[in-house]
Amino acid sequence: KQEVTQIPAALSVPEGENLVLNCSFTDSAIYNLQWFRQDPGKGLTSLLLIQSSQREQTSGRLNASLDKSSGRSTLYIAASQPGDSATYLCAVRKQGAQKLVFGQGTRLTINP
Amino acid sequence: GAGVSQSPRYKVAKRGQDVALRCDPISGHVSLFWYQQALGQGPEFLTYFQNEAQLDKSGLPSDRFFAERPEGSVSTLKIQRTQQEDSAVYLCASSLGWLAASFLYNEQFFGPGTRLTVL
Repeated sequence: KQEVTQIPAALSVPEGENLVLNCSFTDSAIYNLQWFRQDPGKGLTSLLLIQSSQREQTSGRLNASLDKSSGRSTLYIAASQPGDSATYLCAVRKQGAQKLVFGQGTRLTINP
Repeated sequence: GAGVSQSPRYKVAKRGQDVALRCDPISGHVSLFWYQQALGQGPEFLTYFQNEAQLDKSGLPSDRFFAERPEGSVSTLKIQRTQQEDSAVYLCASSLGWLAASFLYNEQFFGPGTRLTVL
């Protein structure tokens, strides 16, 4: 059974810092990995999707990497801003399956 | 708008009542998913449709949960005889399809969710 773990559960940093969020998964036979952002009381916003054949994806100040063999992904946020405060979730899609398996999320707070 | 929409956004039910939650996927999206998110947790898969066919319902927690998508577009998640442990946010997601040949078909887009509170 695929298990996804996100560390840390919560993170608070001052504005302007670069930061890394971690995601690990137990079964390396994945099809893709997706990073989401969730604001309080809202749905999920897709940030980046990495296919299993890819090593990283970039969008603006966000960079996500994938090391399938070690079962790890990182989300790098450059020059953090207060508007980046949210819960960040990673989710993996196993090969041959359609559903996403989510981690519990990292609650990020950027202090002005 | 062009995104996934869900209704109602909030639902309060008394224990034992039946509820129906609606999801309107992005137009043209073949795949539709339902997830359940308990407070402070990540979403957990409930069920998956490809067009009108329910291909995976392994995540439905009990036979009180029932989902349908009769015309391959709008979907309804029904919960019968609600219990307090059913209180959660129910998220709907859609994607273009399942074709592995193109990365375009993979990404799941989520709606705002329905927050269900069972008293």
